Amino acid sequence: GDSVTQTEGQVALSEEDFLTIHCNYSASGYPALFWYVQYPGEGPQFLFRASRDKEKGSSRGFEATYNKETTSFHLQKASVQESDSAVYYCALGETSSFSKLVFGQGTSLSVVP
Amino acid sequence: DMKVTQMPRYLIKRMGENVLLECGQDMSHETMYWYRQDPGLGLQLIYISYDVDSNSEGDIPKGYRVSRKKREHFSLILDSAKTNQTSVYFCASSSRQGRSDYTFGSGTRLLVI
Repeated sequence: GDSVTQTEGQVALSEEDFLTIHCNYSASGYPALFWYVQYPGEGPQFLFRASRDKEKGSSRGFEATYNKETTSFHLQKASVQESDSAVYYCALGETSSFSKLVFGQGTSLSVVP
Repeated sequence: DMKVTQMPRYLIKRMGENVLLECGQDMSHETMYWYRQDPGLGLQLIYISYDVDSNSEGDIPKGYRVSRKKREHFSLILDSAKTNQTSVYFCASSSRQGRSDYTFGSGTRLLVI
């Protein structure tokens, strides 16, 4: 079945560092790709999505580009802040099921001042 | 106010007791979900409901059942809870027209002792 792999389980950065969280997927066809963010004590929140090859999604300074050739959707931010500390989930919308999302394992980002 | 509400937020139960987790949404979303979140495993889909009395098993349905008698309300039931069901449970909803942008609740933290 469809799957999502996030390489980093934990990332520790200082403020103003550049962030990359890697996300690779395995799916047939053209799944929609998503990033969700989860702050402590809350449920995940939709960050942005992309639906076709080379489409860039972005929100709150974060961005990712759909790459069908490398089956990737890496999350990046040029300059992180302490308030970006959270868990980030990459997800894909299964092509076989209109409503079902498959989530990666999550990456915990910790940003220190 | 567009939100998903989960009750209770925290719950402690003894092994063998029955557990009822409640979820409500005020967006008239057709589709609702129950996920559990465990460290290193991310979000795993337990059940999905496409509308009233239209429920399907997710990836890890064993030990759980669900009930949806009204579009705005979705319950997760654990009959005879087990210690390995200790987890954080998230409810979410989405609109078919929204193409899988989920709205999550804040979660129920269940401890089975």
